[in-house]
Amino acid sequence: QVQLVQSGAEVKKPGASVKVSCTASGDTSTNYDINWVRQATGQGLEWMGYINPNSGNRGYAQTYQGRVRMTTKTSIGTAYMEMSDLTADDTAVYYCARGISVDKSPGKGWLYYFDVWGQGTTLIVS
Amino acid sequence: SYKLTQPPSVSVSPGQTASIPCSGDSLENKYTLWYQQKPGQSPVLVIYEDDKRPSGIPERFSGSNSGNTATLTISGTQAVDEADYYCQAWDSRTVIFGGGTKLTV
Repeated sequence: QVQLVQSGAEVKKPGASVKVSCTASGDTSTNYDINWVRQATGQGLEWMGYINPNSGNRGYAQTYQGRVRMTTKTSIGTAYMEMSDLTADDTAVYYCARGISVDKSPGKGWLYYFDVWGQGTTLIVS
Repeated sequence: SYKLTQPPSVSVSPGQTASIPCSGDSLENKYTLWYQQKPGQSPVLVIYEDDKRPSGIPERFSGSNSGNTATLTISGTQAVDEADYYCQAWDSRTVIFGGGTKLTV
């Protein structure tokens, strides 16, 4: 059973940067992505982007391009999400989630879902 | 960009059937997933590939996807099912979430 364990809560000042970690344990033999999803208080889920620890391939939601950087350190099974130029609007819970992709062609094409989530990291920008 | 729309809230009496819709343009051509999130907890996958249940998810959870609407159905709804539910699809290498529906039992 795979588990994702995230780093602890952060408090940052506007204009600062933050780096959140996500460490995988258990059976990590499956090829997967690490995605980052954030949720402001009382709001819905917002996808930020992904990184594949094996290939290094990554993709960011347009909203975050240029301000977010996702990296991995495969030797310790850890993924990182770094975000710069923080504002109060970045106050939220940040989740990492394991993304599984399955090619279902010639049907609907790719199936992509999150089967394991981290516990979340609270970021307060104030 | 692609958009998924959910009603903000759905109410159901205990023991009755709850249906939560998720609409998007030609959504039947994409796979839809559903996540359950209880207050203070991380989301949990309850339906994937439109209608499949992960191991450990009760049989009362089911899904369908036709036309422009995917639907999460909870039969014999229990108080423990009270939560926020989010639909999700994948479009042009981007993950799309619906706005979420608060289910009140």
